[in-house]
Amino acid sequence: QVQLVQSGAEVKQPGSSLKVSCKTSGGTFGSSAITWVRQRPGQGLEWMGTILPDFATANYAQRFQGRVTLTADESGKTVSMGLHSLTSDDTALYFCAGGRGAGFRTPLDPWGQGTRVTVSS
Amino acid sequence: QSVLTQPPSVSEAPGQRVTISCSGSSSNIGAGYHVHWYQQLPGTAPKLVIYDNTNRPSGVSDRFSGSRSGTSASLAITGLQAEDEADYYCQSYDSTLTGGVIFGGGTKLTVL
Repeated sequence: QVQLVQSGAEVKQPGSSLKVSCKTSGGTFGSSAITWVRQRPGQGLEWMGTILPDFATANYAQRFQGRVTLTADESGKTVSMGLHSLTSDDTALYFCAGGRGAGFRTPLDPWGQGTRVTVSS
Repeated sequence: QSVLTQPPSVSEAPGQRVTISCSGSSSNIGAGYHVHWYQQLPGTAPKLVIYDNTNRPSGVSDRFSGSRSGTSASLAITGLQAEDEADYYCQSYDSTLTGGVIFGGGTKLTVL
C-alpha cells in the first residue's frame, strides 16, 4: 500500500521561499504522477501542479506559473514542491497526492497528511 | 470562482439518499473528461470515493455511486450515516486551461 508522508509545518516571512517534501513508501517510486493541491483556510481544494513519473515533465496551474517548481529525488523517493515570493495569501494547508495512474488527469489516491504553512511577518 | 459548480451545502436525514451535483461545460465534463469525487472529513486529507465517473476504489462503501451525463456529474450517497458528514469535491480536466486540472468549489454535506 503506497503511503505519502509530508514534511512538517512551516512559518515563513513574506517574500521568502518554501519547500515542502513528500516521501513515498510501500510502492514503486516513479510509477505514478504526483500532484500538489492546497487548501486555504475555510476554502476549497486548489490544484497547483503535477509531475509525471519520468520526473522531467510537469504541469502547473496558471496562477502559480513561474512561482512553483516540482522536483524529485529518486534515491530518496521524495517529491518536493517549491514556492517562492510568498505572501499572506499563500497561508494554507498543502497536500501531495499520488495518482492511480501515470498521466496528468489521473485520480488522486492516496494523499499525504498535509503540511500547514503560515506566511506572516 | 470554480470552473466546476457544486452547491455549497446539502442536508438530509440519516437513512435517506442525497445527491451532489457538479456542473461543468463543453470544455471539461462535456468533452468526455472523467470526473472524480473526494470526501474530506473535518481536519483530514481528502479521500477518493469515486473515480472515472462511476468507479469505487477498494474499501469505499457501495452506498457511494457516481454518474455523468452531458456537461454534469453527480455523486449519490444512500443510507446516509452520521459519518458521511463531510465536504465533497468533484475534479475533472479542462482543455482550455493551462495545466487543465480543476476542482469544484466543494459541497458541505450535513446529516441532520
